[in-house]
Amino acid sequence: SQQGEEDPQALSIQEGENATMNCSYKTSINNLQWYRQNSGRGLVHLILIRSNEREKHSGRLRVTLDTSKKSSSLLITASRAADTASYFCATDRNDYKLSFGAGTTVTVRA
Amino acid sequence: DAGITQSPRHKVTETGTPVTLRCHQTENHRYMYWYRQDPGHGLRLIHYSYGVKDTDKGEVSDGYSVSRSKTEDFLLTLESATSSQTSVYFCATQGADTGELFFGEGSRLTVL
Repeated sequence: SQQGEEDPQALSIQEGENATMNCSYKTSINNLQWYRQNSGRGLVHLILIRSNEREKHSGRLRVTLDTSKKSSSLLITASRAADTASYFCATDRNDYKLSFGAGTTVTVRA
Repeated sequence: DAGITQSPRHKVTETGTPVTLRCHQTENHRYMYWYRQDPGHGLRLIHYSYGVKDTDKGEVSDGYSVSRSKTEDFLLTLESATSSQTSVYFCATQGADTGELFFGEGSRLTVL
């Protein structure tokens, strides 16, 4: 069964706005990762946050992790049309088998 | 970008026929994975490998087998394809140092 579940399933925003999506998981983890998938392509790794970290930044991406609530959020600031994609969280329970959620589809309108 | 090549990229086959998907990597990564992606389910792990000739089952392994005779190649075989195996299949590799996965472009399989 899926370890992570993203919310919302779909998100539509105007260019320049921020996009926030959440991921909840069920069991303790070693790290949590976020991936992006453009239509018809493979997944691309965005950012990894370890269980002992609370926040991490990479360019316009900000990821938070709350292990007490078993949840994470991904914030994309100042969105662009090129950010239109599906975003997946994946949890690593230190067993080399990442477990993915069903994803959030983000549409950025010009 | 990690050099991961999947073949074929598209395949249409009939129920009951055998199908083999190939994943080839040039990164010398130890870990390799096969996932399937279906609407509403995200990615689900089929099988994975932690070295040559070392493989193990994932959460949806029924009807699939794998082989890894060389570090660079990981084969996924459907012995007798069924319509429920219509999906997009992704191969991924993992460099143990970083923990992140590198994905191929996917193989779209349609079983009629």
